[in-house]
Amino acid sequence: KAGVTQTPRYLIKTRGQQVTLSCSPISGHRSVSWYQQTPGQGLQFLFEYFSETQRNKGNFPGRFSGRQFSNSRSEMNVSTLELGDSALYLCASSSVGKGTYEQYFGPGTRLTVT
Amino acid sequence: AQTVTQSQPEMSVQEAETVTLSCTYDTSESNYYLFWYKQPPSRQMILVIRQEAYKQQNATENRFSVNFQKAAKSFSLKISDSQLGDTAMYFCAFMKQYAGGTSYGKLTFGQGTILTVHP
Repeated sequence: KAGVTQTPRYLIKTRGQQVTLSCSPISGHRSVSWYQQTPGQGLQFLFEYFSETQRNKGNFPGRFSGRQFSNSRSEMNVSTLELGDSALYLCASSSVGKGTYEQYFGPGTRLTVT
Repeated sequence: AQTVTQSQPEMSVQEAETVTLSCTYDTSESNYYLFWYKQPPSRQMILVIRQEAYKQQNATENRFSVNFQKAAKSFSLKISDSQLGDTAMYFCAFMKQYAGGTSYGKLTFGQGTILTVHP
């Protein structure tokens, strides 16, 4: 089974621009979660999508948004980029159902904002 | 809100020896899951081991085992027969379990412990 894939792997953007990151979950996994990883703040939960609906959300400003498509692929968007948005963005997928809760991570998208 | 604390920013061990990484957490929840993930340098996060809070028996996965002390809210990871490939950042993580056994995809991570295995 193919793992979680994320595109692009690296991105360089300028302050004020917007960016869209993509995540394809493991086949059959319907839940996708997004995390931001920085040296200062560590790993922080952004949001989770299941069946095209956001079910959970972390403490991030409204500039961070996401969506999920009917094939479970997910995108996250960051508008009006700030220098502090430079980070590794990780997505993770999981199956849904009683007893299935492990999250499997993709390789991440490294975003640099200049 | 839950918090996860890893008090050892860095640790090192000789190949073939045993090392224990510490993790404590704070929560008012009764039902939850705990995990250890490893993130090798420039490589993706890998699930090492998981523990359901309702299970008293400590989880084991080959050379990896945990010491889960629910009352003390402690969840340490023991790596036996350390190998060079174990060199990585290790994260302890907490996930709340909702009614019906489901979760809503939110992992709360500790700050991580960098483990270096020396030949």
